[in-house]
Amino acid sequence: DAGVTQSPTHLIKTRGQQVTLRCSPKSGHDTVSWYQQALGQGPQFIFQYYEEEERQRGNFPDRFSGHQFPNYSSELNVNALLLGDSALYLCASSLLWRTDTQYFGPGTRLTVL
Amino acid sequence: AQSVAQPEDQVNVAEGNPLTVKCTYSVSGNPYLFWYVQYPNRGLQFLLKYITGDNLVKGSYGFEAEFNKSQTSFHLKKPSALVSDSALYFCAVRDGQGAQKLVFGQGTRLTINP
Repeated sequence: DAGVTQSPTHLIKTRGQQVTLRCSPKSGHDTVSWYQQALGQGPQFIFQYYEEEERQRGNFPDRFSGHQFPNYSSELNVNALLLGDSALYLCASSLLWRTDTQYFGPGTRLTVL
Repeated sequence: AQSVAQPEDQVNVAEGNPLTVKCTYSVSGNPYLFWYVQYPNRGLQFLLKYITGDNLVKGSYGFEAEFNKSQTSFHLKKPSALVSDSALYFCAVRDGQGAQKLVFGQGTRLTINP
């Protein structure tokens, strides 16, 4: 049973560019959440998707957007990249009706130059 | 809003000694609390959770946590530390009734010395 997978592992972009990160949830899970973990910080909630709709959103600007596909996989898009967007981006999956444990992927390390 | 605090940035313990990683919480209503561990260049791995019931929660890799309502604490413990326990540990709380958003602490770096 595959766990949560994310791609790519690492990514280097320049300021002003756009980036798309991808996540496949754990088998059987229907809900995907995205978190940003800056260096030396705890993860911060970006948003959550269920049934292809954004269900909840954290305190992130509209430059951060997402999508969930019918197979429950998800994408995180960030436009007009800033240096401060450099971070580890974590995807977590869970079952909506089991509002407890979230399982995390290995993350995508984004570096903005 | 729900929040957790990890008062120690770093904890150093000798191998074989008991370890404690501290976490305090601030919530309205019943707390749903979690511990996760992060190894270098890895995502977060779930260790244990407190939802309701016994105040002593047992989790993966021999870890346990004690929920203390009067002290609003949820400290992570292990009776005998291993070098392989060295990692970054995060306490988290579920934010909101029925919501799955997790609010994390700043993390505590645990180093086990041989």
